[in-house]
Amino acid sequence: DTGVSQDPRHKITKRGQNVTFRCDPISEHNRLYWYRQTLGQGPEFLTYFQNEAQLEKSRLLSDRFSAERPKGSFSTLEIQRTEQGDSAMYLCASSRGLPEAFFGQGTRLTVV
Amino acid sequence: AQSVTQLDSQVPVFEEAPVELRCNYSSSVSVYLFWYVQYPNQGLQLLLKYLSGSTLVKGINGFEAEFNKSQTSFHLRKPSVHISDTAEYFCAVSPNSGGSNYKLTFGKGTLLTVNP
Repeated sequence: DTGVSQDPRHKITKRGQNVTFRCDPISEHNRLYWYRQTLGQGPEFLTYFQNEAQLEKSRLLSDRFSAERPKGSFSTLEIQRTEQGDSAMYLCASSRGLPEAFFGQGTRLTVV
Repeated sequence: AQSVTQLDSQVPVFEEAPVELRCNYSSSVSVYLFWYVQYPNQGLQLLLKYLSGSTLVKGINGFEAEFNKSQTSFHLRKPSVHISDTAEYFCAVSPNSGGSNYKLTFGKGTLLTVNP
């Protein structure tokens, strides 16, 4: 396994700009999760894909957030019109239908 | 819905001392239980998991945890810590309700600091 890969690792953006993050799960992992972690807190669930279908979205995922997994492989998370409150670490995890999930290194977003 | 409480936000210990990081959970359904470790500016690494069977589970780096259903606890222990164990530790649960979404609910974390 090459592990879950996230890109970029760090992103600094101005308030109001759009940003997009990418996650490449472990090969053959059909389940993919996005989490958000703010400073001093544990990660919080954002959304879940099984293959290409987005099966659950948290109430944390406002209308400015959208996630896709077009071919059931990599996934993207887009934030439109970023706000300072969006500053956080965005974590992607994948699993092969088993309860344990494997996390990527995360993308740290700073909105200035 | 599930919730996780990590009772200590920070635990300082000396090298080679034993340590216990406490975790309690609440859930209306059966759950799977996990401990993850996070080093600065890194993602989360799975330390150990309880899915079923023996309530004492062993993980990587010499860590172990015991599931206590009556007390809804899953405390993490290590008999002798090293400087390299300094990190943030997260307890997490996911629902065991027959669905396919094993989304994790995390505690707020415990910062373990091992001093020489």
